[in-house]
Amino acid sequence: QVQLVQSGSELEKPGASVKVSCKASGYTFTSYAMNWVRQAPGQGLEWMGWINTNTGNPTYAQGFTGRLVFSLDTSVSTAYLQISSLKAEDTAVYYCARSKGKPPFTWFDPWGQGTLVTVSS
Amino acid sequence: QSALTQPASVSGSPGQSITISCTGTSSDVGSYNLVSWYQQHPGKAPKLMIYEVSKRPSGVSNRFSGSKSGNTASLTISGLQAEDEADYYCCSYAGSVVFGGGTKLTVL
Repeated sequence: QVQLVQSGSELEKPGASVKVSCKASGYTFTSYAMNWVRQAPGQGLEWMGWINTNTGNPTYAQGFTGRLVFSLDTSVSTAYLQISSLKAEDTAVYYCARSKGKPPFTWFDPWGQGTLVTVSS
Repeated sequence: QSALTQPASVSGSPGQSITISCTGTSSDVGSYNLVSWYQQHPGKAPKLMIYEVSKRPSGVSNRFSGSKSGNTASLTISGLQAEDEADYYCCSYAGSVVFGGGTKLTVL
């Protein structure tokens, strides 16, 4: 079945970097885009952007530029989210979610199980 | 792009029907049939329930339905069941993706 499996929880200090992985299975990885969504504790969903799995070209949502890098390793059907210069406000659950190959995105399905990133000294 | 507006909470008794609204603008919800809805149980990942305003993915109960009028989309759940208690998020696309703030559904 179509599945996205993310890496485990991370505890990082302010100023450090973190890299979250999202491994896809059950479908052709390069036929669909991969999106990243943030959910701060007790808050709603925020779309961070997407990466074209054919070209590797990332698109970052407004408000999420500067410290984010979306990347791929198509040989292992895996997408990555890297956040640098971590701040306490980056503490959140980060989800990957599959969508159509390119905009407009009319659905996100499935979602990874989420990766909790905690930033604390 | 501002978040879509949803009521913070709704409630209903088992067997009843409830509707969750999602209000955007003429630039997003009102202009495109690209509204989707997601169910999220505590500590779990969101699950797609409705896409393109009213289409239901395979495996989603037909108790869930979606509609749109003007700048407002709606999710209706009929025959409420205890397992429907969750947070629900609407989502629209208009050059970028925007989510609603979420609605907590309580089944009394």
